[in-house]
Amino acid sequence: NAGVMQNPRHLVRRRGQEARLRCSPMKGHSHVYWYRQLPEEGLKFMVYLQKENIIDESGMPKERFSAEFPKEGPSILRIQQVVRGDSAAYFCASSPRVSSPLHFGNGTRLTVT
Amino acid sequence: KNEVEQSPQNLTAQEGEFITINCSYSVGISALHWLQQHPGGGIVSLFMLSSGKKKHGRLIATINIQEKHSSLHITASHPRDSAVYICAVTPTGYGGSQGNLIFGKGTKLSVKP
Repeated sequence: NAGVMQNPRHLVRRRGQEARLRCSPMKGHSHVYWYRQLPEEGLKFMVYLQKENIIDESGMPKERFSAEFPKEGPSILRIQQVVRGDSAAYFCASSPRVSSPLHFGNGTRLTVT
Repeated sequence: KNEVEQSPQNLTAQEGEFITINCSYSVGISALHWLQQHPGGGIVSLFMLSSGKKKHGRLIATINIQEKHSSLHITASHPRDSAVYICAVTPTGYGGSQGNLIFGKGTKLSVKP
C-alpha cells in the first residue's frame, strides 16, 4: 500500500502563473488535509476535504487559493496568479476516518521567482 | 502568545543520551500529535494521544490533560534521531476531525555520534 503521494516534489513558477499541487491519499483514505509551511515558520492548516466536499477551509487565503478532491483522481490545491509570498512547502495528509491518525506526504516545495 | 509552545527550540545531544522535548498548549483539545520532520522535509506521524502514555520502540509520549502539557522522550538517542520534532493539537469543536491542527514551531534535535 503506497503512502500519500504528492507531486511534483519541486515546482518553480514565475509571478502571475498558476500552480497546481497534487495529492493522492493512501488507498481507502477519504479524508484529505492540506498544510502550508512558510520558510522559517511552523506548519499551518489550510483546508480539509472529503470526496467531492470541502469540509473546512478556515485556513485558506480568501483569494487565489482553491482546493478540490474529486470523486476520481487526486486532490488538487490550486494557486492562481502566484506571488513571491506563496513560496513555501505544501503538505497534504490523509486518513481513513475522521478520528484516525494522519499520514503525511513528502510535500511540494513551491518557489515563485 | 502561541497556542502551542515547544521547548527547547534547539537541542544537541550525544549519542546514547535520554532526550525530553516539551509541549504546552492553551486551548481545549481532543488530541495531541507528535510529528517528526526529517532534514529532507518529509513528515512522519509518531503519536496521536488524548490521555496517558504511549510507547513505540525508543520513543515515549505522555500527556497531562489537566496541566495542558505533553512530553516526548527518546531513550538511547542515535544520530538517526536527528530531525525536527513538532507538537500539534486538534482543538475541540471541529467535529472530531484530527486534521485541523494547530502546530508548535518545532524542536530541532541534533544527536552527535
